[in-house]
Amino acid sequence: SQTIHQWPATLVQPVGSPLSLECTVEGTSNPNLYWYRQAAGRGLQLLFYSVGIGQISSEVPQNLSASRPQDRQFILSSKKLLLSDSGFYLCAWSVGWGYGYTFGSGTRLTVV
Amino acid sequence: AQSVTQLDSQVPVFEEAPVELRCNYSSSVSVYLFWYVQYPNQGLQLLLKYLSGSTLVESINGFEAEFNKSQTSFHLRKPSVHISDTAEYFCALLSNTGNQFYFGTGTSLTVIP
Repeated sequence: SQTIHQWPATLVQPVGSPLSLECTVEGTSNPNLYWYRQAAGRGLQLLFYSVGIGQISSEVPQNLSASRPQDRQFILSSKKLLLSDSGFYLCAWSVGWGYGYTFGSGTRLTVV
Repeated sequence: AQSVTQLDSQVPVFEEAPVELRCNYSSSVSVYLFWYVQYPNQGLQLLLKYLSGSTLVESINGFEAEFNKSQTSFHLRKPSVHISDTAEYFCALLSNTGNQFYFGTGTSLTVIP
């Protein structure tokens, strides 16, 4: 069966520090991978998606970047965190149209 | 362009009462529709989805949603809620021409004992 792992679950980082959130998927090949952010009191915002290794599409310009070094690995990074980067980050994968997403358990990031 | 609107940001309801969480969408192409649930401090889980066929879809925990093309709606209903249904509910749309989901802003359902 397919599973998705996301870590860490919670993270408190100072302003200006770097960030690296990792997401891995098991049990499937060539998934579409996504990073979403859920800010307090707001809905889900798509940050990045990837349809293959090294292929990253950015939906919203910001302080963050994403990379896909392996087929089932998706990394969200920042060189210098801002206070506004605080939120709940969700990784997700899908195999194609109409199947919906499967979400990871999320990372709650607090920038202080 | 596609969009999803959830009209109610917060819905308080007493235990064992019925509930309806509203979702309307806008799209110029055919769509697939989904409801996701997020329990406190957890990620999102797929609750139910409409792809094609019967316009009424059901989940394993008693929720149902009906796709209404003429009203561009996909409202979520449950005839009798439980305390454990307290969560955030997200309506989502996937078009058959794009590569991403469009989520509503979510509805926070609070079940009151």
